[in-house]
Amino acid sequence: GQQLNQSPQSMFIQEGEDVSMNCTSSSIFNTWLWYKQDPGEGPVLLIALYKAGELTSNGRLTAQFGITRKDSFLNISASIPSDVGIYFCAGPSMEYGNKLVFGAGTILRVKS
Amino acid sequence: EAQVTQNPRYLITVTGKKLTVTCSQNMNHEYMSWYRQDPGLGLRQIYYSMNVEVTDKGDVPEGYKVSRKEKRNFPLILESPSPNQTSLYFCASKKVGTEPTGELFFGEGSRLTVL
Repeated sequence: GQQLNQSPQSMFIQEGEDVSMNCTSSSIFNTWLWYKQDPGEGPVLLIALYKAGELTSNGRLTAQFGITRKDSFLNISASIPSDVGIYFCAGPSMEYGNKLVFGAGTILRVKS
Repeated sequence: EAQVTQNPRYLITVTGKKLTVTCSQNMNHEYMSWYRQDPGLGLRQIYYSMNVEVTDKGDVPEGYKVSRKEKRNFPLILESPSPNQTSLYFCASKKVGTEPTGELFFGEGSRLTVL
């Protein structure tokens, strides 16, 4: 089935630094979603991307839908301690449109 | 407040003792799903339901059962739990038929340990 590969697996950064993470696939996705999971909570949708090349921002977060439709990037500017958590990329399965495929996640830790 | 509610949040049980994790949503969503989260593996779908009385297997359905008798509830049943089912479980729901993929709303998770 379709798989999403996220990198890096984890990051430990200094407060105030910018963060970049990405998600790649060997197959095409028509939608890319980025979710964040705070410690002890369920994932929450951050950004949704629906068109190749699309660049969307949500506060300090910016995500891009890769032009090949096989990748997506999430950037966080000027990180703060509450950015800590696991970031998941996800996309709907081409075979079963209502099924979401998730990446393994990027664990972000912020040193203040 | 719009939410997905799971119970119990934490459970320690023993091999073979049947258990049910309940899930309820108050958003009138058609679609509901169960995921398990394991380190390094992300979220893997166990079962999902497109509407009442319609359920289907996800990627890792072995050892689990579900039912969807009412729109708001989607319980996950472990008939004979085994230690490899020790995991963090999430229930999620979304509305069907809007944008390409409607936002999936997650519960707070149920941490299950099988001894």
